[in-house]
Amino acid sequence: DTGVSQDPRHKITKRGQNVTFRCDPISEHNRLYWYRQTLGQGPEFLTYFQNEAQLEKSRLLSDRFSAERPKGSFSTLEIQRTEQGDSAMYLCASSLAFQGDTQYFGPGTRLTVL
Amino acid sequence: QKEVEQNSGPLSVPEGAIASLNCTYSDRGSQSFFWYRQYSGKSPELIMFIYSNGDKEDGRFTAQLNKASQYVSLLIRDSQPSDSATYLCAVNYDNAGKSTFGDGTTLTVKP
Repeated sequence: DTGVSQDPRHKITKRGQNVTFRCDPISEHNRLYWYRQTLGQGPEFLTYFQNEAQLEKSRLLSDRFSAERPKGSFSTLEIQRTEQGDSAMYLCASSLAFQGDTQYFGPGTRLTVL
Repeated sequence: QKEVEQNSGPLSVPEGAIASLNCTYSDRGSQSFFWYRQYSGKSPELIMFIYSNGDKEDGRFTAQLNKASQYVSLLIRDSQPSDSATYLCAVNYDNAGKSTFGDGTTLTVKP
């Protein structure tokens, strides 16, 4: 399978705990994106990387959220001190620059904060 | 007002009919336009992208773009029950970086 993969697929945690999600993009893609989606809404942009550089971060993203892409391949998204409002589907997408930035999504990680 | 607007639906069409899904966007600098299909509980799946004014056809799907009217649509011909899903419109401002999504239109194709 050469698509975008995400791990874990589901995460249940208690309020106040830290969680980390991983995304492996399509191998030749140099751009990687994180989105968050809640029920009935479209995906909401969180941040994106080109290679290892984090080029944009949503102003809606609180300081509890951090993302890394240390070697320009896989990426991690960490949420510290989770809140119930963080419950959502966290989507990762990747693209190849100079191809119109067509983004392909992974299966997502569904986070439930109790 | 959201940057990307879609009629939430639900839109119901009979099997074999043409389904027409519409999207408007507010930023005149938008350059790339995408349609995704999303089944319940699944992630978005790319259907089509369009960059230039006019029509683009791919099988049963046709995307139409009118930048002057800031309008993009998706036509699904010969609709099948398997087309029942939420269709998301996404817009990129500068061919680089984030996509801005509408909240989707739910389509139901009745056998």
